[in-house]
Amino acid sequence: NAGVTQTPKFQVLKTGQSMTLQCAQDMNHEYMSWYRQDPGMGLRLIHYSVGAGITDQGEVPNGYNVSRSTTEDFPLRLLSAAPSQTSVYFCASSYSGGGWFYNEQFFGPGTRLTVL
Amino acid sequence: ELKVEQNPLFLSMQEGKNYTIYCNYSTTSDRLYWYRQDPGKSLESLFVLLSNGAVKQEGRLMASLDTKARLSTLHITAAVHDLSATYFCAGLIQGAQKLVFGQGTRLTINP
Repeated sequence: NAGVTQTPKFQVLKTGQSMTLQCAQDMNHEYMSWYRQDPGMGLRLIHYSVGAGITDQGEVPNGYNVSRSTTEDFPLRLLSAAPSQTSVYFCASSYSGGGWFYNEQFFGPGTRLTVL
Repeated sequence: ELKVEQNPLFLSMQEGKNYTIYCNYSTTSDRLYWYRQDPGKSLESLFVLLSNGAVKQEGRLMASLDTKARLSTLHITAAVHDLSATYFCAGLIQGAQKLVFGQGTRLTINP
């Protein structure tokens, strides 16, 4: 299993440009999420999905869009990049079957984004 | 709204010493997680604590959960340099699949 993969690893954008961060997992996990990590602030949830076709907002959703057309993929779109979106972005996935479950989240390697 | 606070945020200690990282959370949480992050790397799951009084140990790390006090601790025993990293706790919002992270504790263990 490759686990959770993210591309690209690094990206530099100019203000106003758009781009998509890719995230894929091969563990058949229903739950996927996107976080951003900024110094001194821990990780903050941007958007999450509990299954294909279902997405919802997290703590800091403004400026980002997501969709979930397959179980495996959960891309994050930056609509019009701003310097405030300079951050490290992590994608995570977890199993969330019926009954008692751990919700242990497996994180991807991250994408380091700089917006000039 | 669930808030998670860790302390200390920075910790420098000598090899061989013991220390504890504290994680306080503001409202009822379904469960509590501990993660480790090495510089420039992703997060690695350490522990998942499910219920009051839960205690889990892995090597020199031991995590516990007191839901009445809304407190989790990560205890380091006889620290070694390899444990230098940033440690995060995170709470799961009750009834939702949303994790709220603490700010992280940057641990440096000096030889």
